[in-house]
Amino acid sequence: GAVVSQHPSRVICKSGTSVKIECRSLDFQATTMFWYRQFPKKSLMLMATSNEGSKATYEQGVEKDKFLINHASLTLSTLTVTSAHPEDSSFYICSAREGSPGGGQYFGPGTRLTVL
Amino acid sequence: AQSVTQPDIHITVSEGASLELRCNYSYGATPYLFWYVQSPGQGLQLLLKYFSGDTLVQGIKGFEAEFKRSQSSFNLRKPSVHWSDAAEYFCAVGVTGANNLFFGTGTRLTVIP
Repeated sequence: GAVVSQHPSRVICKSGTSVKIECRSLDFQATTMFWYRQFPKKSLMLMATSNEGSKATYEQGVEKDKFLINHASLTLSTLTVTSAHPEDSSFYICSAREGSPGGGQYFGPGTRLTVL
Repeated sequence: AQSVTQPDIHITVSEGASLELRCNYSYGATPYLFWYVQSPGQGLQLLLKYFSGDTLVQGIKGFEAEFKRSQSSFNLRKPSVHWSDAAEYFCAVGVTGANNLFFGTGTRLTVIP
């Protein structure tokens, strides 16, 4: 099946610094990628939809200036958490969709961000 | 608006016993339906999906799910659970015209020896 990777898998940073998370589709081209945030014992919250070559679409309540998304190629999307604070600590998961809007999404393994 | 309900937050079953995880959705048309499994600290793995056709869908790891339009349900089943099946299971719905998936709140499965 389709494989999506994320890097890094775990990152610890100081408050005020920025962190970049990469999401790659390894064996297929993904015109659309998604970024989710998952809180402990909770479901996934969609943060934004990333479209190759265009601006990301953010969900209501998600600060676009804080969570910068770039989808520079058909296999790579990046999420940069700018000026991170402890409340940004979370599990961030990306997914990539193969094919049509009704197609399933393939998820990366997630990135655990801890902001001290 | 579309929504997904997983009524069971936590289920415990004995190894070798059968399993059924419930999922109900709310949507005006036929949705695209998915089941994902998440092990602790990991991403989500697609177990199976339903788009159209046969309402009984076979997935990986011996799982199956049945789409019942009259009940707006897409329950996940496995005839004999293995200890390695212990994980969090998410039901998700995709709808026409929307890019993203809508997830249920998940059901945590515990398997006891």
